[in-house]
Amino acid sequence: DIVMTQSPDSLAVSLGERATINCKASQSVLDNSLKKNFLAWYQQKPGQPPKLLMYWASTRESGVPDRFSGSGSGTDFTLTISTLQAEDVAVYYCQQYFSTPVFSFGPGTKVEIK
Amino acid sequence: DVQLVQSGAELKKPGESLRISCKGSGFRFSTYWIGWVRQPPGKGLEWMGVIYGGDSDTRYSPSFQGHVTIAVDKSMNTAYVQWSSLRASDTATYYCARQSVSSSGLMSGAFDVWGQGTKVTVSS
Repeated sequence: DIVMTQSPDSLAVSLGERATINCKASQSVLDNSLKKNFLAWYQQKPGQPPKLLMYWASTRESGVPDRFSGSGSGTDFTLTISTLQAEDVAVYYCQQYFSTPVFSFGPGTKVEIK
Repeated sequence: DVQLVQSGAELKKPGESLRISCKGSGFRFSTYWIGWVRQPPGKGLEWMGVIYGGDSDTRYSPSFQGHVTIAVDKSMNTAYVQWSSLRASDTATYYCARQSVSSSGLMSGAFDVWGQGTKVTVSS
């Protein structure tokens, strides 16, 4: 099974500043024939279900603000919030969907306002 | 509107059985994989398994296989997860979610539509 790790566990960022979250897979999630990374990012606010932000590592889901961006390939990925807004306070999860039997999630990164 | 609506909160005792549901609307349920995700209180997300709405093909996480059963009634556009004997460690919020399909038809394992969650509490 692919194990996903995230860093940091939590971070506090000032409003308007950049937030960067890292995600690492224990093995590559890049499909070389499709040239796609099988990785998604989610945002979960308290008391709410997760919300899909990114898929194929860097494709923004419809309606997601463009201050969110995803990058990386193979085993190392990053979610960047370019200018943090108050409504971005949440826990962020990465997920690989490359390898069955489990499309595993990372442990989450909590983003707060400094 | 595309949505998944889950059944309400449950309070059960250890050893009891339970089935929770997830009803889809606004999309062609039989052409999507529907998954279940567990979230224990204050913890992260755990992928449990998925089922195809059209033919009930099911894939389980080894961590959940044998303890839960995932099922679907395509005539009702509804997916289920059921337990025959609950444990205290099953206490969690359970989410159903739809695996996305791109406009070009490429299926991904990302979940693009989520239910509101069903809180299950197992306590004596």
